[in-house]
Amino acid sequence: QKEVEQNSGPLSVPEGAIASLNCTYSDRVSQSFFWYRQYSGKSPELIMSIYSNGDKEDGRFTAQLNKASQYVSLLIRDSQPSDSATYLCAVRGGGFKTIFGAGTRLFVKA
Amino acid sequence: NAGVMQNPRHLVRRRGQEARLRCSPVKGHSHVYWYRQLPEEGLKFMVYLQKENIIDESGMPKERFSAEFPKEGPSILRIQQVVRGDSAAYFCASSPFSGTGGYISNTEAFFGQGTRLTVV
Repeated sequence: QKEVEQNSGPLSVPEGAIASLNCTYSDRVSQSFFWYRQYSGKSPELIMSIYSNGDKEDGRFTAQLNKASQYVSLLIRDSQPSDSATYLCAVRGGGFKTIFGAGTRLFVKA
Repeated sequence: NAGVMQNPRHLVRRRGQEARLRCSPVKGHSHVYWYRQLPEEGLKFMVYLQKENIIDESGMPKERFSAEFPKEGPSILRIQQVVRGDSAAYFCASSPFSGTGGYISNTEAFFGQGTRLTVV
């Protein structure tokens, strides 16, 4: 079992719709959770971090964390073509390293 | 993020040569992480360094790979006797925090643009 699992996609949504990206993790002691956006050929860009159960909203982005289910998600409201990218879920436990999922490719159709 | 500078951006090496990748962290950051990304895959942790110390190198291959972060100058990731399987994008990230558990905000928030290594 991979430590951080994401559906590789691609996930295709029409412009203006809600895109829902999901991630599960295996280490129950994980404490910090991140979502990065990566455009093709570019470096990852941190868009959301979440540390406690529940929802965290930032603009069009909402991160959701459920530690009991070991599940973290990212919702993108009013999706735009510029949101088309690969979204990486990342998880950190009590150690030093952050474990990344393989990413979900999102396509937003104009 | 413009703060973390990696060079070169692209590096071509023949099999058996050495590759040196450099990373200058955000000014004031004393913690550096190196990651490797193969095509269509996520980032794989390689090593975490503080100034003059390797804190966690559990992701580094046992042979041919080494990393350092001297008191002065950039962090260096060195790959000796490169093979085709080393072809990948290598990303560096920096942080001002120690990364030792707890709730750490913006850990590894700042990634460099990466060095794309091609071994021919």
